[in-house]
Amino acid sequence: DTAVSQTPKYLVTQMGNDKSIKCEQNLGHDTMYWYKQDSKKFLKIMFSYNNKELIINETVPNRFSPKSPDKAHLNLHINSLELGDSAVYFCASSRKTGGSYEQYFGPGTRLTVT
Amino acid sequence: DAKTTQPTSMDCAEGRAANLPCNHSTISGNEYVYWYRQIHSQGPQYIIHGLKNNETNEMASLIITEDRKSSTLILPHATLRDTAVYYCIVIYGGATNKLIFGTGTLLAVQP
Repeated sequence: DTAVSQTPKYLVTQMGNDKSIKCEQNLGHDTMYWYKQDSKKFLKIMFSYNNKELIINETVPNRFSPKSPDKAHLNLHINSLELGDSAVYFCASSRKTGGSYEQYFGPGTRLTVT
Repeated sequence: DAKTTQPTSMDCAEGRAANLPCNHSTISGNEYVYWYRQIHSQGPQYIIHGLKNNETNEMASLIITEDRKSSTLILPHATLRDTAVYYCIVIYGGATNKLIFGTGTLLAVQP
């Protein structure tokens, strides 16, 4: 069974569209994250939720809205997609929040905006 | 900004130990040293972490100097599948768990 799964794996869409990426973890973890890896391979955190509560919100355009319906799921909705949103988006989870807990990453969603 | 410095790339012969260095001279007492790796086109994978003591698990060993200003990740018997970018990350042990990835070390294991 996959510990952290993401759907879809690939997403190609046009500028201006709205799209969602879903993430699920079956590890029983309390904390989930979204990271973005751009074309230069830099990985940056975007958001973190702990027990459905937003705890990290980096400087991300408000076109990006995370939603956590329960602690096993963290979805990312993106409005009015722009070319610069093209990237690989990784979801991750950890048992709890705090620096002593390792994070487990999903396989990524490769978003291409044309 | 990442608080660590790593070599851009390293080579290692298959079957030999791979020793990946990391400098974190500004580390504070409550900050952990973590290692993750990213194999091409996959999500980052947790390897090991430590605070003060050396650590070993089924994947690797982590050696932290006594002054904690540097560390070395050791893969005891590198295989071709260990070719990846290895990230050394320093993270505060407090309430939030925000990983800040630098550029990492590209380890190329040669046959």
